[in-house]
Amino acid sequence: DVKVTQSSRYLVKRTGEKVFLECVQDMDHENMFWYRQDPGLGLRLIYFSYDVKMKEKGDIPEGYSVSREKKERFSLILESASTNQTSMYLCASSLVGLAGNIQYFGAGTRLSVL
Amino acid sequence: AQKITQTQPGMFVQEKEAVTLDCTYDTSDPSYGLFWYKQPSSGEMIFLIYQGSYDQQNATEGRYSLNFQKARKSANLVISASQLGDSAMYFCAMRELNTGGFKTIFGAGTRLFVKA
Repeated sequence: DVKVTQSSRYLVKRTGEKVFLECVQDMDHENMFWYRQDPGLGLRLIYFSYDVKMKEKGDIPEGYSVSREKKERFSLILESASTNQTSMYLCASSLVGLAGNIQYFGAGTRLSVL
Repeated sequence: AQKITQTQPGMFVQEKEAVTLDCTYDTSDPSYGLFWYKQPSSGEMIFLIYQGSYDQQNATEGRYSLNFQKARKSANLVISASQLGDSAMYFCAMRELNTGGFKTIFGAGTRLFVKA
């Protein structure tokens, strides 16, 4: 089974803190993604990476950065957390290819910024 | 413009009955894939079913089937014989293979409640 592991299920941080969300996958997938999920808005793509050290902005990259130093690990960084970044964050990975490009998700990190 | 539209914020179904969750999409790319994911209260998104734009037959996976109406740009999920464990959020998603790159676009979701 594909396993995507997010380091924390719940996080509480203060405004202005630097926050790291970690994601690890064990299936040697090339692609990795970070989404945020808010009620009524579905999942919105923050960043994705198609290879080590490669990254592309998604739809809502402002206030976030990412790091992919190893194939299995994709980190989301909130440089200076703000209350409007309180949300559920989901990491996903997938293979490259045309065959449906199924994404496999972690359990999510619920971040509260106070 | 919304690329994926799920018009039902919430749905109720009696256990053992079938239920249809609606999804319409908008694309000009002739090559695309459509997905349904389930998100239980635990939070993890679970892949359910996939339909490619060139697939001639509707996709089926156990109790899940995808009613693909290409001309109407709809990709409704049908769950047969609902079970209490089907209570969850359901997301429709699309990937445009030529124009979308690596991106998958998700709808806002439908919350399904299965009643005993």
